Amino acid sequence: AQSVTQLGSHVSVSEGALVLLRCNYSSSVPPYLFWYVQYPNQGLQLLLKYTTGATLVKGINGFEAEFKKSETSFHLTKPSAHMSDAAEYFCAVSDGGSNYKLTFGKGTLLTVNP
Amino acid sequence: GAGVSQTPSNKVTEKGKYVELRCDPISGHTALYWYRQSLGQGPEFLIYFQGTGAADDSGLPNDRFFAVRPEGSVSTLKIQRTERGDSAVYLCASSPRGGGSYEQYFGPGTRLTVT
Repeated sequence: AQSVTQLGSHVSVSEGALVLLRCNYSSSVPPYLFWYVQYPNQGLQLLLKYTTGATLVKGINGFEAEFKKSETSFHLTKPSAHMSDAAEYFCAVSDGGSNYKLTFGKGTLLTVNP
Repeated sequence: GAGVSQTPSNKVTEKGKYVELRCDPISGHTALYWYRQSLGQGPEFLIYFQGTGAADDSGLPNDRFFAVRPEGSVSTLKIQRTERGDSAVYLCASSPRGGGSYEQYFGPGTRLTVT
């Protein structure tokens, strides 16, 4: 069975500071990994995904994440936080073979302070 | 183009009642998914349709929950004899095909409250 652990249910940063949201996964097969963002009263929006190939993936809004197999991690980063980044972020994993059932972490609420 | 839509956006019902939640996927998407998001949790998989058939319903919590997709587009999630524990946001997603590296596109969800 797959699982996802997001360290820190709430992360607070200052505008312009580095954003680091942590995600560790457990999977018995090569995983596909995803980061989704959820703004209030909106659906989940895909930020970026790793399937195969380059382990550093770039997404929308300046976010990127690096797949580290040895650490079973897929941490999300952004060099400089913007007020508009305030939202809830979810890391998810799927079985790379079938990839239809996403297993999500509990989410991390990002607050950006002026 | 239009994204995934879900109706109603909010539903309040009394314990024991029957409810139906509707999902309109993106046109042409053959794969459709239902997830449930309880307060403070990430979404949890309920069921996956490929076309008209349920390819995997292993996430449905019990036999009070049922979903259909009779024509391979719109899907309805049906909950019988609702319980307070069913209160959650029910999310629908669709993708061009199931499997592979296709992105799942999520709708805004239906917030179900059972009183």
